[in-house]
Amino acid sequence: EVQLVESGGGLIQAGGSLRISCAASGFAVSSKYMSWVRQAPGKGLEWVSVIYSGGNTDYADSVKGRFTISRDNSKNTLYLQMNSLRAEDTAVYYCARDSSGYEFDYWGQGTLVTVSS
Amino acid sequence: SYELTQPPSVSVSPGQTASITCSGDKLGDKYTCWYQQKPGQSPVLVIYQDTKRPSGITERFSGSNSGNTATLTISGTQAMDEADYYCQAWDSSTAVFGGGTKLTVL
Repeated sequence: EVQLVESGGGLIQAGGSLRISCAASGFAVSSKYMSWVRQAPGKGLEWVSVIYSGGNTDYADSVKGRFTISRDNSKNTLYLQMNSLRAEDTAVYYCARDSSGYEFDYWGQGTLVTVSS
Repeated sequence: SYELTQPPSVSVSPGQTASITCSGDKLGDKYTCWYQQKPGQSPVLVIYQDTKRPSGITERFSGSNSGNTATLTISGTQAMDEADYYCQAWDSSTAVFGGGTKLTVL
């Protein structure tokens, strides 16, 4: 059974750094494209970043240069390192598995990141 | 940057058919998928690659995509279908979501 479990969220001051994690089970994170998607309180979904099975990465313009996506294949875990955090980065962060390059077929339960200004 | 536009809200009576649209430039040339999100829950994929239903998703959900518009259709709408719905497509190595549509069943 595929499961994604995020952790590491919390309250952080503006300008600070935080790393959130997504532990996967039921498949190898290295075999799929994996993304982070966020949702600000009361708002819609916003894609943040992807790491491809080959290891290349892409980012939304809003986080480029501040966030870094990575994975640890030995731990089967996805990470998002977030630096220079801003109030507008406050959101629930979901990790999501891309099944075929076009859609996210499994989502975690999300972890809340709150940036205080 | 690429944009997907959805109506903020759609209302439907129980048992009737609900249609939610998603518009974007030449969207028909891309694969579009749809997610359902209920309050306090993670999104759930309900339609992928324009018309396909994941295992476990009721046949009442269907999708189409042509020209500049993709459409999610829910037939025989039930109270349990009340939720936010998001369309999504990829453009230039970026996943793009529509703004979401709140479906109200009344």
